[in-house]
Amino acid sequence: DADVTQTPRNRITKTGKRIMLECSQTKGHDRMYWYRQDPGLGLRLIYYSFDVKDINKGEISDGYSVSRQAQAKFSLSLESAIPNQTALYFCATRAVGPGNEQFFGPGTRLTVL
Amino acid sequence: TQLLEQSPQFLSIQEGENLTVYCNSSSVFSSLQWYRQEPGEGPVLLVTVVTGGEVKKLKRLTFQFGDARKDSSLHITAAQPGDTGLYLCAGDPANDYKLSFGAGTTVTVRA
Repeated sequence: DADVTQTPRNRITKTGKRIMLECSQTKGHDRMYWYRQDPGLGLRLIYYSFDVKDINKGEISDGYSVSRQAQAKFSLSLESAIPNQTALYFCATRAVGPGNEQFFGPGTRLTVL
Repeated sequence: TQLLEQSPQFLSIQEGENLTVYCNSSSVFSSLQWYRQEPGEGPVLLVTVVTGGEVKKLKRLTFQFGDARKDSSLHITAAQPGDTGLYLCAGDPANDYKLSFGAGTTVTVRA
């Protein structure tokens, strides 16, 4: 089984709809992250969490919210989706310690019409 | 403006040729990482370089960290179609467990 899983893998929705993307991990890591990937822009950090009670905004948090339901679960919500939120979304986890590897989920391709 | 600038953005070469991807910044990093991403998957770590001037080899891939720890390069010798993918460099300039990523280099190796 994959260490970091994301659901759904693909989603098409309409402008104004509320969308939730879910992430689960079996790595036992405290640190979890949500990124979006757009062509030519690389990965940009949306939100991150260092433990269940810790939620922090990343560089592009406007229009997004998150929930850390447990150490293993970190959800990303788009309260009212808009077309420029069409992108590939990745969840990642990381162990404590400098230079440690980030483990990524397989991604969710979201299209907002 | 990206904290980490990668070049080139696209690279298409014939099998057996060599290639080099560059990752540059004006910031100093305690370490830099290189990831490879294949279509439909998340990025996977290839290597972490931590010491200025360090050179690490992973089979046909050679990674170098600049002496001033502001830049890095990835060199692939005798590229194979299996090397095709998106190569991303990443670093944590503030050592606060938030990685910044370059925009990536899409490498295509033709058989």
